[in-house]
Parts: sequence; structure tokens; C-alpha cells
Amino acid sequence: AQSVTQPDIHITVSEGASLELRCNYSYGATPYLFWYVQSPGQGLQLLLKYFSGDTLVQGIKGFEAEFKRSQSSFNLRKPSVHWSDAAEYFCAVGNSGGSNYKLTFGKGTLLTVNP
Amino acid sequence: EAQVTQNPRYLITVTGKKLTVTCSQNMNHEYMSWYRQDPGLGLRQIYYSMNVEVTDKGDVPEGYKVSRKEKRNFPLILESPSPNQTSLYFCASSPLGRGDNQPQHFGDGTRLSIL
Repeated sequence: AQSVTQPDIHITVSEGASLELRCNYSYGATPYLFWYVQSPGQGLQLLLKYFSGDTLVQGIKGFEAEFKRSQSSFNLRKPSVHWSDAAEYFCAVGNSGGSNYKLTFGKGTLLTVNP
Repeated sequence: EAQVTQNPRYLITVTGKKLTVTCSQNMNHEYMSWYRQDPGLGLRQIYYSMNVEVTDKGDVPEGYKVSRKEKRNFPLILESPSPNQTSLYFCASSPLGRGDNQPQHFGDGTRLSIL
């Protein structure tokens, strides 16, 4: 069964500092991987996705993520955090086969940005 | 504008009183799904549908029903709601097919409180 682990429940960074959010997945085949962001009271917005090809993926709002098959990881990074990045971030793995396009989500990492 | 629309956004109700949360998408997507989000648990899939009249259980289907009579609509039905169904609910849709079609579009969520 597929699973996602986000080891950090809560991270605090200062505005302008770099950010890395960790994500480890378990999946038997080549995974489809996603990062979503959820601002308070809002739905989920897709930041970036990985299906195949280049393992460094660029997303919206200046985020990027790197797929490392050997480490079963898909960490999210941003070189300089803005106060508006404060939100909850979810890593997810999707089926690459079968009939259910279910996304299995991690439990989320809450990001606080200090001024 | 491409949208997944959920109604209501907020609902407080009492145990045992049947309720329906509607979900509608305007993107002609075949695949639709319901998730619930609980603190510390992330999002978990309740039911999904691959197309009209084709539905199946996700990870946490107990206490819920769905129907897919039209392609654009995928209502979530709680026949006899209980307090443990108090949660934040998200509807999502995507086209069939793999690759770049995979990312799911999420609605803004419905916050249900069952007293």
C-alpha cells in the first residue's frame, strides 16, 4: 500500500530564509508525486507535480522539489521564504496504475514565517 | 473559469439528520473523489467515481454514500450523521488518463459539525 511521511509537523523560519520541507513516500512502482499548499480556510492548491523525466521540478510561487528514487524522497524547497508562504503543506503520492486515481497524503507540515 | 464547487461551505447539524453535500465541476472530468481532512491525519479518501454510474469505496467509506448520475455532479450523502463525521470535506476531480492530466482540482471544502 502506498504511504507518505512528512517528518516535520511544524516548521518555523524567518522571512528571507531558505526552506526545505521533507517528504518520504512508499510505493511499489514509479510514483506520481505532488505538493499541495493549504492556506487557512482555503482549499488545496497544487504547487508542483512529478510524473517522470527531470527529477528537479519547478512549481508556482518559486517552489521546487527534487525526486530522489534512491531515498524515496520528494522534498520541497524555496530559496527565500515570504510571509505569505505561511500555510500548511501536503505531500501526496498518486497511483501510477489501476483505476483509482486516489491521492495518499502525508499528515502535513505547518509552516510559520517570522518577520 | 475551471472550478470544483461545493455546497454548503459550512454546516452545523445534529446526529441522525440526513444531509447532502453537493459537488459540481465544470471541466467535464470523468474522475471525481471525496476526501475528509482531520487534524493530524491529513486527507483520506472516502469514495471515488471513474465515470457516470461508476463509484467505489476509498479508505474510509463507512457512514457515507455517493451517487454519480451526471458527469458534473458527485454528491456526498450522510444518511445518519454522527459526531465522528465532524470534519472538513473536500471534493476533487480530474480527467482520466495519466501524465500531465493527473493533477486533481480541489473544491474549497465543506466544514461539517455534527452535534
